[in-house]
Amino acid sequence: LAKTTQPISMDSYEGQEVNITCSHNNIATNDYITWYQQFPSQGPRFIIQGYKTKVTNEVASLFIPADRKSSTLSLPRVSLSDTAVYYCLVGRMDSSYKLIFGSGTRLLVRP
Amino acid sequence: NAGVTQTPKFRVLKTGQSMTLLCAQDMNHEYMYWYRQDPGMGLRLIHYSVGEGTTAKGEVPDGYNVSRLKKQNFLLGLESAAPSQTSVYFCASRGDRYNEQFFGPGTRLTVL
Repeated sequence: LAKTTQPISMDSYEGQEVNITCSHNNIATNDYITWYQQFPSQGPRFIIQGYKTKVTNEVASLFIPADRKSSTLSLPRVSLSDTAVYYCLVGRMDSSYKLIFGSGTRLLVRP
Repeated sequence: NAGVTQTPKFRVLKTGQSMTLLCAQDMNHEYMYWYRQDPGMGLRLIHYSVGEGTTAKGEVPDGYNVSRLKKQNFLLGLESAAPSQTSVYFCASRGDRYNEQFFGPGTRLTVL
């Protein structure tokens, strides 16, 4: 399973766009990139997944360069409720796939 | 749909006691997982199951056993609890769509 590296913490202010970058230098051809969000005392929640280029949903955008060695989660116009831990995970989607969570990035959104 | 539910929500055990955590999902998912999360850390996979009657070891399986007798239920057992097993335990299930795992609310376990 590809190892991921992301910043330990980030600060932002309400209304700003936040970009969290994840490095995954040894990503394999069949690996997908998945991001989860976790609020205190809750289980993680799926945000977005992608393989290459750009993926956008109602919550976030995911940018993946051509070499796929990194990815960037973009949260538009954050609010206080976006304060959470964000995890970047890399792996295949077959039945044996096991999600390996790192320590994640703690995002603090200030008023 | 209730999604993924976990029983109990909180539990305090003494060293050496045993207990079983129950995870139930009503989404007809094939894959189910048990994780533990220690303070300030990410989640670590204990055991997982790719279908009814099957189980497999994750990253940190020692001291735990699991069973998947019914598709909708995944049980995590601690035969002889140790203080090192004090943690928050999360159960998750996954269908066939992407890598979207659905997590339960967690069980906070303290072993004295």
